[in-house]
Formats: sequence, structure tokens, C-alpha cells
Amino acid sequence: GAVVSQHPSRVICKSGTSVKIECRSLDFQATTMFWYRQFPKQSLMLMATSNEGSKATYEQGVEKDKFLINHASLTLSTLTVTSAHPEDSSFYICSARVMGAAGELFFGEGSRLTVL
Amino acid sequence: TQLLEQSPQFLSIQEGENLTVYCNSSSVFSSLQWYRQEPGEGPVLLVTVVTGGEVKKLKRLTFQFGDARKDSSLHITAAQPGDTGLYLCAGEFSSASKIIFGSGTRLSIRP
Repeated sequence: GAVVSQHPSRVICKSGTSVKIECRSLDFQATTMFWYRQFPKQSLMLMATSNEGSKATYEQGVEKDKFLINHASLTLSTLTVTSAHPEDSSFYICSARVMGAAGELFFGEGSRLTVL
Repeated sequence: TQLLEQSPQFLSIQEGENLTVYCNSSSVFSSLQWYRQEPGEGPVLLVTVVTGGEVKKLKRLTFQFGDARKDSSLHITAAQPGDTGLYLCAGEFSSASKIIFGSGTRLSIRP
């Protein structure tokens, strides 16, 4: 199957700092990537849809100025959590859709963010 | 707002028993996927169903897509401890072109 790599897998930062998470499709081009957030023992909540070469589409309730998404190339999307606070601590997961494959998503390994 | 309801939320059964997990929505899916997730990892795709009434089998797992494409089920036969994990359904709604996840079913199989 298609491979999606996410980095870093774990990050700890101080409150008020910004953290960047990278999502790369290693063996395919992804015009669309999705960013999800997952709290402990809960399901995945879609945060935003990242479109190559255009602005991301954010879900209702997600602050676009706090969660900056950049999809600069067909293989890379980044999520920057700006001015992080402890309540931003979560598991962030990116996924990419293989072009032509109906609905299938391939996921990165996830990034666990802990804000102190 | 498109929502996916998944049931049950938790299920703990004895090894060898059968079980079924359900995924329902009031909206029509253009496609539906089932994933399994281990703690600290990303979800892994099990199956994709596209056609109403479709049935797919993956060893002891049987996936069914409702005729109206609004619901799906996952049936596991003779459950084994290795089946333990979080099972997630995810649907793509043709009107939105995004994939929404159900609430998940946390399955525990006792030896």
C-alpha cells in the first residue's frame, strides 16, 4: 500500500511556542491531505483538508490562525500549531488520498504533542 | 452536518465468540472504509466498500455495505485475542469530498 510518513512522532514543547508537524507521501503524489486530531480513547476528528497549491479548508470550530496548514508540494503538507497551550496536547494524524482510489486514505504514524 | 454513529462503543467478549459492529448515518456514503487502530499508531485500512449491498470478506472478517449506502457492518467470526483494538468506520459523502470517522468501537477479546 501507499506510504505516508509523519514527523516528528513525539514532541514536547513549552506553552506559547509553535510546533510544526510534517506529513509526506513517500511513493505517490497527493493533491489532497487531511489532518485529524485524536484525544485519548476517542475517534479521529477532522480538522482540515489540505489542498496542494491552495488554502486549506477548515472544519467548523477549528481556528485557522492557530492551526496553520501549508501544502507546498504534491508530497508534503505541514501543520503548525501556533502559540501552543496545554489543551492543544493531542495525537495529530495526517492522511493522504491515493488519486483514483475510491475514498481510501493512508495514514501517517501520528504525532503526539505534549504542551507543558 | 454529516454524522456517523458507530455501535457498540465498547465490546469485551470471550475468545471464539462472534461479534458485529455497526456504522450508521442518515446520509448516503459514496464510499465507506473500515480501519483498525493500535494505541499510539495511525489507523490501518481493512476494507473499502463502494457498491450498495456489497459484501467483502477478509479472513474471519466480513464487511457489508447497506443497500441504500447509509450503513455498514463488520462481523468477526471466532474472535481471537489478536483482534483486540479500536475499529473505526469512515465514510465519504459525495457532497463534501471529505472523510468523516465514526466514534469507534473498542474491542477486547479475552483468552
